[in-house]
Amino acid sequence: RKEVEQDPGPFNVPEGATVAFNCTYSNSASQSFFWYRQDCRKEPKLLMSVYSSGNEDGRFTAQLNRASQYISLLIRDSKLSDSATYLCVVRPTDSWGKLQFGAGTQVVVTP
Amino acid sequence: EAGVAQSPRYKIIEKRQSVAFWCNPISGHATLYWYQQILGQGPKLLIQFQNNGVVDDSQLPKDRFSAERLKGVDSTLKIQPAKLEDSAVYLCASSLGAGGANEQFFGPGTRLTVL
Repeated sequence: RKEVEQDPGPFNVPEGATVAFNCTYSNSASQSFFWYRQDCRKEPKLLMSVYSSGNEDGRFTAQLNRASQYISLLIRDSKLSDSATYLCVVRPTDSWGKLQFGAGTQVVVTP
Repeated sequence: EAGVAQSPRYKIIEKRQSVAFWCNPISGHATLYWYQQILGQGPKLLIQFQNNGVVDDSQLPKDRFSAERLKGVDSTLKIQPAKLEDSAVYLCASSLGAGGANEQFFGPGTRLTVL
């Protein structure tokens, strides 16, 4: 079983619509959670950290469910520029900064 | 502020040849990481340095891969000899420190094709 699993998509989303997707993680001792964004043929960039109480950053909302070991990302009012692959990232408690990446969920926003 | 620099950006070699990649982290960042990202997968950590010491190299194929960060700044990753399955993007990242909320900043990567 993979340590971090994501639906690869693609999620085809009309501009202005809302899209949401999850990822699951296997290590219950995981400490920190993040969403990274990766554009085609570019490097990953931190989109947002995910906190236990859930958090928002503009049109982006992240949720964490420790009991069920999943993380979600919701994008409201999708823009064409939101088209990218979204990587779910987990940092286990026993790691020294080591990040475990999911394979990513591709989002395609269409006009 | 300058980001993480990597070179070369692209490299094509034949199997059994050797190749080396270079990374210059963000100034002042003590922690440096090398990741391998195979097409369709997320990045996988190969090795992590804290200053010039290795913190984690548990997923580094040590029979063919080596890395060093002699002066605690720049780093090189070498593959010798390369195999077809080494075709991937090699990403270097750096952070101020390890663990906690230290954000990792990635370089543009080196895209390696092994023929």
